[in-house]
Amino acid sequence: EADIYQTPRYLVIGTGKKITLECSQTMGHDKMYWYQQDPGMELHLIHYSYGVNSTEKGDLSSESTVSRIRTEHFPLTLESARPSHTSQYLCASSESPGQGKTSGNTIYFGEGSWLTVV
Amino acid sequence: DQQVKQNSPSLRVQEGRISILNCDYTNSMFDYFLWYKKYPAEGPTFLISISSIKDKNEDGRFTVFLNKSAKHLSLHIVPSQPGDSAVYFCAASAGANSKLTFGKGITLSVRP
Repeated sequence: EADIYQTPRYLVIGTGKKITLECSQTMGHDKMYWYQQDPGMELHLIHYSYGVNSTEKGDLSSESTVSRIRTEHFPLTLESARPSHTSQYLCASSESPGQGKTSGNTIYFGEGSWLTVV
Repeated sequence: DQQVKQNSPSLRVQEGRISILNCDYTNSMFDYFLWYKKYPAEGPTFLISISSIKDKNEDGRFTVFLNKSAKHLSLHIVPSQPGDSAVYFCAASAGANSKLTFGKGITLSVRP
């Protein structure tokens, strides 16, 4: 099980504000992910990273951006929040194949950040 | 186009009975399948997984069955407990380095 931490857990912010959701993991996992989930819907991958200085867009288009300067840290930033960004954002990490004893496809999630934009 | 489908949005089961959660997939390249459990306001927790080279994997009260020909998998929880009440997500991947595709989830309610 990965130790992965997200802050803030809950955030209510006004339209147009810039926000950064923090995500850190202590397991040394190469891969990190950001998912977005609305109630009753599937998890949608919005960003992922396979290592330092590597970031890719996910399956769901998102106006957010990410960075991966350190292995353990994968913050997500919204430059100008809008009500349509209201959602739960889930950070996750996993090992690369051969990095450890678990399957590289098993990802471990943080507790999530609930963002409400008013 | 949903590649991982959980067609039943909810399931209610009596405590002590078996819970059977179903999942269907369309991508024949999927070779690794996982189940996650999610409580409200928390992140998903990994439960159990199965590789396509197996048809069954068991961990305590949780057993996952895979039927590759039918592109179907199921999660059995025996006996069900009230603490099992949560949303359960099925997920799948194709290849060791591929991303997971999730279903919409099914809400399990276990009545005392």
